[in-house]
Amino acid sequence: ELKVEQNPLFLSMQEGKNYTIYCNYSTTSDRLYWYRQDPGKSLESLFVLLSNGAVKQEGRLMASLDTKARLSTLHITAAVHDLSATYFCAVAEESNYQLIWGAGTKLIIKP
Amino acid sequence: ETGVTQTPRHLVMGMTNKKSLKCEQHLGHNAMYWYKQSAKKPLELMFVYNFKEQTENNSVPSRFSPECPNSSHLFLHLHTLQPEDSALYLCASSQDSGQGLGTGNTIYFGEGSWLTVV
Repeated sequence: ELKVEQNPLFLSMQEGKNYTIYCNYSTTSDRLYWYRQDPGKSLESLFVLLSNGAVKQEGRLMASLDTKARLSTLHITAAVHDLSATYFCAVAEESNYQLIWGAGTKLIIKP
Repeated sequence: ETGVTQTPRHLVMGMTNKKSLKCEQHLGHNAMYWYKQSAKKPLELMFVYNFKEQTENNSVPSRFSPECPNSSHLFLHLHTLQPEDSALYLCASSQDSGQGLGTGNTIYFGEGSWLTVV
């Protein structure tokens, strides 16, 4: 059974700092998604990572996937307040491609 | 107009009521989903429809009954719910739900229906 674990679950940081959110998963998969959710809003797709070594960047966010380590990272560079949100990773099961979701990382960036 | 729209946005119902949540997608997708989002729990997949056929039912209690009349519309019929069913119910769609999802088709979410059972 595929399990997805995110850490940290809560992160408070200052603007201008760098930090990384980690997404570990328990069984083989090479399909991983990152989403963002603002309070009271829906989930917005950020990145889709489809192979080992995949790296994608959008603005101050960069996501990578290491399928051998079963690990994805979401790196935030020089954080700004607008990036405050909850970030979710989701991993596709190989058998049926159903997405299994992490618990989310609530990120608060203080001005 | 957003790609996936849900109504109502907020719903309060008693345990003996019958109500329905509605979802409509304007993206031309073939797969639609219902998810439940509760506080402090991971997002839970409830149902998947692919080309109007139900392909996944993740052991959801029968008090939740989905209906998919066509690829653009999805309903969740609710009856005799319990207070612990209070949550945000999210509808989503993607190009398809099978191997296409595995190749990276993105799932697009609606803004959700906040359900409170009293």
